[in-house]
Amino acid sequence: SQKIEQNSEALNIQEGKTATLTCNYTNYSPAYLQWYRQDPGRGPVFLLLIRENEKEKRKERLKVTFDTTLKQSLFHITASQPADSATYLCAFYGGSQGNLIFGKGTKLSVKP
Amino acid sequence: GAVVSQHPSRVICKSGTSVKIECRSLDFQATTMFWYRQFPKQSLMLMATSNEGSKATYEQGVEKDKFLINHASLTLSTLTVTSAHPEDSSFYICSARDVGRPGQYFGPGTRLTVT
Repeated sequence: SQKIEQNSEALNIQEGKTATLTCNYTNYSPAYLQWYRQDPGRGPVFLLLIRENEKEKRKERLKVTFDTTLKQSLFHITASQPADSATYLCAFYGGSQGNLIFGKGTKLSVKP
Repeated sequence: GAVVSQHPSRVICKSGTSVKIECRSLDFQATTMFWYRQFPKQSLMLMATSNEGSKATYEQGVEKDKFLINHASLTLSTLTVTSAHPEDSSFYICSARDVGRPGQYFGPGTRLTVT
């Protein structure tokens, strides 16, 4: 079955550093991947979508890469700030109904 | 743009009672809405896909008689948890897609506690 994995449950970094989160997928070749941010007790917020023919996508301090050979997407936050602390989820459309399938997320903590 | 609201944000109910959760798309029309459940430290699990004017499509293992979904208009879907049990306590989140925008837009979630 299709699987999406975010290997790190938690990531702690110092303010100002670049945070790099990893998303791997198996048994599927999604046409695009999505990244969401979720704060405690809140619904996810859409951040970025990257298509399979795009190697890299940027939005302000965020950068996403998509390597279809490695079946992996990397999510980078440069010049990280404490306000970036949240859980970040990757997702793709798959499943029998073509629904959004989420990874478990990586909880990022940025220390001042 | 693409704002989704949910009501209530928190609800506590007694075992055996029913609870209704509303999901609204505020600034766009959503022919399809999605209902998810999320347990602590777990990923979002899709429960059902709600289609305006027709029956919802439920994921395997989700009891359609227990989780009643109604999508009566292009901006409103409701989820009713019938005869709630403590194991139904969870965080319920709805979402919708806005045609022409990437991604999916989520409501703020409803924390259900069944005592």
